[in-house]
Amino acid sequence: EPEVTQTPSHQVTQMGQEVILRCVPISNHLYFYWYRQILGQKVEFLVSFYNNEISEKSEIFDDQFSVERPDGSNFTLKIRSTKLEDSAMYFCASSPDREVGQPQHFGDGTRLSIL
Amino acid sequence: AQKITQTQPGMFVQEKEAVTLDCTYDTSDQSYGLFWYKQPSSGEMIFLIYQGSYDEQNATEGRYSLNFQKARKSANLVISASQLGDSAMYFCAMREVSGGYNKLIFGAGTRLAVHP
Repeated sequence: EPEVTQTPSHQVTQMGQEVILRCVPISNHLYFYWYRQILGQKVEFLVSFYNNEISEKSEIFDDQFSVERPDGSNFTLKIRSTKLEDSAMYFCASSPDREVGQPQHFGDGTRLSIL
Repeated sequence: AQKITQTQPGMFVQEKEAVTLDCTYDTSDQSYGLFWYKQPSSGEMIFLIYQGSYDEQNATEGRYSLNFQKARKSANLVISASQLGDSAMYFCAMREVSGGYNKLIFGAGTRLAVHP
């Protein structure tokens, strides 16, 4: 069964550094998402992306964050200047459409640790 | 107000027994979807089951079923014949039409422990 792939599985970065989290969504999916989960807390929506542009973003997704689909397969989340509070698990998800009943398929996540 | 409320931070069940995980939601939309995801200790998020607001039948998927009570705004997950591998965190989530069907809104989760 096709799956969403995220790399790396764990990223350790110094505070203030830039980090790029990478995702390969399922190949025929058109909608892409990033979520984050701070340790022990609920999963929170960051951003959704369709047709090479952001379709919705949350309050968390401020100017430090950006997303890009640099080619036909990758979908990246960049954090420009990381803060301690950015430490979390980041999940990429994709779906073929945005019908209400369409589940979003999640990757295994990237655990980001900011030192 | 919380959009998704899961009141049970932790539950335990004996192997082979059934267990119900509670979820209540808050929306003024007529069209919405409710989802359950499982998160094992390894961290991945696994889609389990979906219920649409207009669905008249409760959703079922193998050992998972959803007890959907629209008037009470509840969408409880029932796991029958629990297995040790069911031990995990379980999240209820909602997708609303007013949200453009873009984002999932998650509850805080329930940690289920299955005892032999």
